[in-house]
Amino acid sequence: GQNIDQPTEMTATEGAIVQINCTYQTSGFNGLFWYQQHAGEAPTFLSYNVLDGLEEKGRFSSFLSRSKGYSYLLLKELQMKDSASYLCSPGTYKYIFGTGTRLKVLA
Amino acid sequence: GAGVSQSPRYKVAKRGQDVALRCDPISGHVSLFWYQQALGQGPEFLTYFQNEAQLDKSGLPSDRFFAERPEGSVSTLKIQRTQQEDSAVYLCASSLEGFGTNEKLFFGSGTQLSVL
Repeated sequence: GQNIDQPTEMTATEGAIVQINCTYQTSGFNGLFWYQQHAGEAPTFLSYNVLDGLEEKGRFSSFLSRSKGYSYLLLKELQMKDSASYLCSPGTYKYIFGTGTRLKVLA
Repeated sequence: GAGVSQSPRYKVAKRGQDVALRCDPISGHVSLFWYQQALGQGPEFLTYFQNEAQLDKSGLPSDRFFAERPEGSVSTLKIQRTQQEDSAVYLCASSLEGFGTNEKLFFGSGTQLSVL
């Protein structure tokens, strides 16, 4: 079966660092996507990891451990505009999603 | 087009009515997906097309839901005899390549369906 687990909500302060974890059990795994979704808007692509390790892209980094079925998204120097839901999506052809982690950034 | 376009943006239906939701993917994109997203939840997979072929419809909640993509571009999701539990945002997404290529998805803004 398919199972994806992420925290429901997180709160952090502007300028801080936050790590959003995702664990998954899927069949046909090909890599892991992270998407950002602001309230009332469409999800937009943030990152994709196919190999183990850390991928850095500006203020956002994403890590993958295939053997552990684990990924995290690291957001640095948080800004108010980072308040959004962050969706973990293990790459199978169906592109299934977790429930999302709602991040609130406080001033 | 520049992005994935969905219409209508909002749809209010009376219980028992039929509705049709349209998705116009990015030109040339082979794969097209429909998702249902309830408030505070992640998108739930409904169905997948590769060109005009519907390769997976395992996520459709009941036989009241039907999707098509007859010419491999525009897709329509039809819901017959709508029920209150059908109220959700329906997202369409497309990607450039087909099955197994594992590419990022481009999403439309969704259709928010409210069934009264």
